[in-house]
Amino acid sequence: AQSVTQLGSHVSVSEGALVLLRCNYSSSVPPYLFWYVQYPNQGLQLLLKYTSAATLVKGINGFEAEFKKSETSFHLTKPSAHMSDAAEYFCAVSDRRSGAGSYQLTFGKGTKLSVIP
Amino acid sequence: DTGVSQNPRHKITKRGQNVTFRCDPISEHNRLYWYRQTLGQGPEFLTYFQNEAQLEKSRLLSDRFSAERPKGSFSTLEIQRTEQGDSAMYLCASSSLGGNTIYFGEGSWLTVV
Repeated sequence: AQSVTQLGSHVSVSEGALVLLRCNYSSSVPPYLFWYVQYPNQGLQLLLKYTSAATLVKGINGFEAEFKKSETSFHLTKPSAHMSDAAEYFCAVSDRRSGAGSYQLTFGKGTKLSVIP
Repeated sequence: DTGVSQNPRHKITKRGQNVTFRCDPISEHNRLYWYRQTLGQGPEFLTYFQNEAQLEKSRLLSDRFSAERPKGSFSTLEIQRTEQGDSAMYLCASSSLGGNTIYFGEGSWLTVV
């Protein structure tokens, strides 16, 4: 069984400050890992993904994440927060089973990011 | 590529009524997923189709829930005899066969009163 733990349900940062959103995963097989962002009353937008290539992954809007197998972590960072980054962020792990190969996602509970002007 | 489309976006219904949501995936995406998201939680997997075949169903999908994808294109999710606990956002997503990225729609909000 796979699981995702996002530390901190709510993170506040000042505009221009570093953003760090934490994600730890549990998986019995090498995982695919994803970060999605959700703005109020909207669906999920893919920020970035790790699929066993480079361990440092760059995504949209200046975000990046580093896969650390030894720490089972996939933390999301951005050097300088903008007001427009205020949203909820979800980390997800993919089930890469053979056979159907559905790649269904298991999500964490999310971290709501607030940006203080 | 017009993205995953869902409708209606919002539905308010009385307890005991039936509701149906429709999802149009990204064209040529063979895989289609339904997830449910309640307030303060991440999305939870409900069911998965590959073309018209429903290959996986979560334990969350009680017998009041039924999903179809009759021609391997759009899908419907029907909830019969709705309960207040069904109030949630229902997200549809799709991916290509062999693709490792799942693309989500805007979601359909259900409020059961």
